[in-house]
Amino acid sequence: AQSVAQPEDQVNVAEGNPLTVKCTYSVSGNPYLFWYVQYPNRGLQFLLKYITGDNLVKGSYGFEAEFNKSQTSFHLKKPSALVSDSALYFCAVRDVTTDSWGKLQFGAGTQVVVTP
Amino acid sequence: DTEVTQTPKHLVMGMTNKKSLKCEQHMGHRAMYWYKQKAKKPPELMFVYSYEKLSINESVPSRFSPECPNSSLLNLHLHALQPEDSALYLCASSQDFGGARDGSPLHFGNGTRLTVT
Repeated sequence: AQSVAQPEDQVNVAEGNPLTVKCTYSVSGNPYLFWYVQYPNRGLQFLLKYITGDNLVKGSYGFEAEFNKSQTSFHLKKPSALVSDSALYFCAVRDVTTDSWGKLQFGAGTQVVVTP
Repeated sequence: DTEVTQTPKHLVMGMTNKKSLKCEQHMGHRAMYWYKQKAKKPPELMFVYSYEKLSINESVPSRFSPECPNSSLLNLHLHALQPEDSALYLCASSQDFGGARDGSPLHFGNGTRLTVT
């Protein structure tokens, strides 16, 4: 089965420090990977995706993610965190198995807390 | 601001009530989705409409009834709900429903927070 894992329930970082949110995937074939962010009382917002091509993907709000095939990871990064980055972050993979219609499988989510 | 609009923002209903959730998008997207989300959990897919036809039903109880009147609108009719159905209901859309090789992202609304008493 296609899946993603987010090993950290919560990440705490001081404002101005680098932020990393971890995601590992388990898929057969080439993965379609996505990051979404959910601010309080809001829906999910798309940040970035990896389909093919350059392993470093740049997205919205200064975020980027690095696709690492050998480590089966797709970590989300931001060089300098802001208090306003405090939110719930979801990694997701599209199920591309033969008998699948392409359902998006979400990770459990990582709560990011950025302190001033 | 989100380009997918959901109404109402909040809804409280009794177990015998009938209510509807509404979703609208004007991005020309041909696929629309209903998700259910519990607090601090990932969203769970309920239904997918592609070109106004129901494509996927994730074994959702019949007390939830989706409807897609046209390509811009999606409704979720609720009847005889249970307290455990209390959750945030999210509508989403995507450019197309391309299946396993679809790289288009989902665009979510801000949801309807439903409380069943």
